[in-house]
Amino acid sequence: DVKVTQSSRYLVKRTGEKVFLECVQDMDHENMFWYRQDPGLGLRLIYFSYDVKMKEKGDIPEGYSVSREKKERFSLILESASTNQTSMYLCASSSQGRETQYFGPGTRLLVL
Amino acid sequence: QKEVEQDPGPLSVPEGAIVSLNCTYSNSAFQYFMWYRQYSRKGPELLMYTYSSGNKEDGRFTAQVDKSSKYISLFIRDSQPSDSATYLCAMTPNSGGYQKVTFGIGTKLQVIP
Repeated sequence: DVKVTQSSRYLVKRTGEKVFLECVQDMDHENMFWYRQDPGLGLRLIYFSYDVKMKEKGDIPEGYSVSREKKERFSLILESASTNQTSMYLCASSSQGRETQYFGPGTRLLVL
Repeated sequence: QKEVEQDPGPLSVPEGAIVSLNCTYSNSAFQYFMWYRQYSRKGPELLMYTYSSGNKEDGRFTAQVDKSSKYISLFIRDSQPSDSATYLCAMTPNSGGYQKVTFGIGTKLQVIP
C-alpha cells in the first residue's frame, strides 16, 4: 500500500512565524503535491514537484514556498504565517504518467 | 463557471438505500475520472478510477462516465453508516507528462442507521 505521511496532524502557530510542513512517501513516486482544503472552496493546488529539486507553482502559490531535496520528501514552507493561511493542508504523491494521487492524513494548521 | 461542478450536499439517506453522487464538467479533454472518499478530519482515499466512458463496478460501488453529457456518477448500493463521508470527484486530461487533476468540491453523505 502507498503510504504518505505528514509530520503533524495539528499545528497552532502565531502570525509572522515561519512554518514547516513535511511530507514523506514510501512508494518511490516521482510526483508530489501540496494542497489546501477549505470549506466551500475544495482542494486547491499550492505547489507540485515532478522530480528532486524541481518545483512548479500551482493555483495559489502566494505566501508559500517548497523544497524537495530528496525524492521521498516534500516540504511546504510558510515564510510568514498569516491568519488567512489557517486551513487543512494535504500532501499527495503519484507515479510519473499516472493520474491517481495518494494523499496523506492532512495537517490542520491554525494561525492565531 | 467552474470546470467541475459537484453539489456539496449534505445528502442524508437511510441505511440500505442506493446513493447516487454526481459531477458535471465542462472540459471535453478530461479522459480519466476518479472518485475519492474522505472521512472527517482525514485525507482523501482513492475509491474508484475509470478511463473514458462506461461503467466500472467494485463491490457495492459503481462508477459511471457519460462523456457525451460531460457527467459522471458514483452509485453506492446497500449503503452503510460507514459510508458516511465526503465524496470528491476528480478528473484529468489524456496526454503525457504530469497532468493537473481537477477536483470537485465534494458531496457530504450521511447514512442514517
